[in-house]
Amino acid sequence: QVQLVESGGGVVRPGRSLRLSCAGSGFIFSDYAIHWVRQAPGKGLEWVAVISYEGSTKYYADSVKGRFTISRDNSKNTLYLQLNSLRPEDTAVYYCARDILRSGWYSNFDSWGQGTLVTVSS
Amino acid sequence: EIVLTQSPATLSLSPGERATLSCRASQSVGTYLAWYQQRPGQAPRLLIYDASNRATGIPTRFSGSGSGTDFTLTISSLEPEDFAVYYCQQRTTWPPGATFGQGTRLDIK
Repeated sequence: QVQLVESGGGVVRPGRSLRLSCAGSGFIFSDYAIHWVRQAPGKGLEWVAVISYEGSTKYYADSVKGRFTISRDNSKNTLYLQLNSLRPEDTAVYYCARDILRSGWYSNFDSWGQGTLVTVSS
Repeated sequence: EIVLTQSPATLSLSPGERATLSCRASQSVGTYLAWYQQRPGQAPRLLIYDASNRATGIPTRFSGSGSGTDFTLTISSLEPEDFAVYYCQQRTTWPPGATFGQGTRLDIK
């Protein structure tokens, strides 16, 4: 079955960096765009970024543009999110989520990981 | 930026009852509207996409309707596992992206 597993979360001080990973299995990873979606504690969902299935095209929410970088290594079936210049308001559970559309993007998310918690605090 | 407003914030019903959840967009999104369910401690689950299409494996008691700015998620007869938070989501085609509503919490009465 389709599985996405995030890792790399933790506690980090403001201004520092962190890299999240998302390992995919049970499907052809290189056929799907993958998104990052975050959820602050007790709050709603916020879309963060997307990368195309082949990795050439990337888009970001305005709140993270210039600070976060999405990338992927299809040979390792792994997605990454580099988080730089972290702020307390970046504290959230970060989910990777597969796009519903194969070989394109639709920005609906049919499979999600369990999430990894990032806490930005001094 | 399109804003999605969900109502009510909390809905208290009993198993077996019918649930009607609303999502209103600040401008037309056509039928580019999806619904997700999130149980406590779990990741969201896609229920409905393109306003009325059930995702794979979703029970038929879940249905979606609407277009333009007003959308509804209906659960015809509530099961115990349906008590959760529900989010609507609109998608943009270019550039790709998504916006979520603030959620409706469905509680057991």
